[in-house]
Amino acid sequence: AQSVAQPEDQVNVAEGNPLTVKCTYSVSGNPYLFWYVQYPNRGLQFLLKYITGDNLVKGSYGFEAEFNKSQTSFHLKKPSALVSDSALYFCAVREDSALSFGAGTTVTVRA
Amino acid sequence: SQTIHQWPATLVQPVGSPLSLECTVEGTSNPNLYWYRQAAGRGLQLLFYSVGIGQISSEVPQNLSASRPQDRQFILSSKKLLLSDSGFYLCAWSAEPRQGRTQPQHFGDGTRLSIL
Repeated sequence: AQSVAQPEDQVNVAEGNPLTVKCTYSVSGNPYLFWYVQYPNRGLQFLLKYITGDNLVKGSYGFEAEFNKSQTSFHLKKPSALVSDSALYFCAVREDSALSFGAGTTVTVRA
Repeated sequence: SQTIHQWPATLVQPVGSPLSLECTVEGTSNPNLYWYRQAAGRGLQLLFYSVGIGQISSEVPQNLSASRPQDRQFILSSKKLLLSDSGFYLCAWSAEPRQGRTQPQHFGDGTRLSIL
């Protein structure tokens, strides 16, 4: 079965500092990886995906993610975090016709 | 552009009562449709997905069921709710895979279900 792991329940950063949210994957074959963000009482919003090609994927709201095959990682990054980036972030991997999600990482950006 | 609607946004139901949550998608045809449950604001559990009218795949055995009576309509139902059915239910859609590549899923705003 395909799976992803998000090793950190919470990430706290100061506004203006770099933000990294970690994700590692375990798949057979080529991984199709995704990042989503969820604000309170809302659905998930798609941020970016890796299917093939460049290892650095750029997405919405200034986020990017780096696919690292040797480390089986797909960490989400933002060079300069904003208070409005405070939310719950999910990494996901394709499994059959659906997605398998990580447990989520709560990001808090303090002013 | 494509939009997805879920209703109701909030629902409080007694144990043993029936359930019907509806999800519709606009602006696309033959979408893949999904129902997820999110407990305690964290991980998502895939409940059902559908690749076409009348085609439902169940991921987790439970007292819930799903139906797809129309191309862009996905309904989550139960005949008798349990306390453990409380949670945040999310509907999602995605376009069909293109050239074998999975398309991202787009989520509705969810239904918060509380069972009393």
